[in-house]
Amino acid sequence: AQSVAQPEDQVNVAEGNPLTVKCTYSVSGNPYLFWYVQYPNRGLQFLLKYITGDNLVKGSYGFEAEFNKSQTSFHLKKPSALVSDSALYFCAVRDWGKLIFGQGTELSVKP
Amino acid sequence: ETGVTQTPRHLVMGMTNKKSLKCEQHLGHNAMYWYKQSAKKPLELMFVYSLEERVENNSVPSRFSPECPNSSHLFLHLHTLQPEDSALYLCASSQDSGESNEQFFGPGTRLTVL
Repeated sequence: AQSVAQPEDQVNVAEGNPLTVKCTYSVSGNPYLFWYVQYPNRGLQFLLKYITGDNLVKGSYGFEAEFNKSQTSFHLKKPSALVSDSALYFCAVRDWGKLIFGQGTELSVKP
Repeated sequence: ETGVTQTPRHLVMGMTNKKSLKCEQHLGHNAMYWYKQSAKKPLELMFVYSLEERVENNSVPSRFSPECPNSSHLFLHLHTLQPEDSALYLCASSQDSGESNEQFFGPGTRLTVL
């Protein structure tokens, strides 16, 4: 069965510094990978996805993610964090029409 | 706004009550989903509808009953719930149930069962 893991429950970053939120996956076949963000009292918002092609995927709000097949990773990155990026981030993999989510990583960006 | 709305946003109900959650999408999508989000747990897929037919029931107890009268609307009927059913219930839609399509989520209904 397909699965994703987010090894960090929380990531703390100073504003202006680069951020990375980690995700590793386990799939059979080609993975379809997604990142979502959830702000307090809101639903999930789609950030970006990897289907095929370039390993570096660019998404909303300046976020990008790098697909690494050898390391089975799909880490989310941003060159310069903003306080408004503070939220809960979910990595997900598509499995026969279903999205399988990781447990989420709380990102906290301090001024 | 994602184009997916949910009502009510908050709901408190007793274990003997019957209530319904409503989801509406304005995106022209053909697939709709119900998820349960509990604290400290990954999102749990509950139901999937594609072209108004249920294609997935992820071992959900019968006290949760979905209904999809058309491609724009999805309901979750609730009866005789338990306190452990308290959670955020999220509705989502996608173009279809294909592998590469991202899902668009509503804001959720925060359910508390007393």
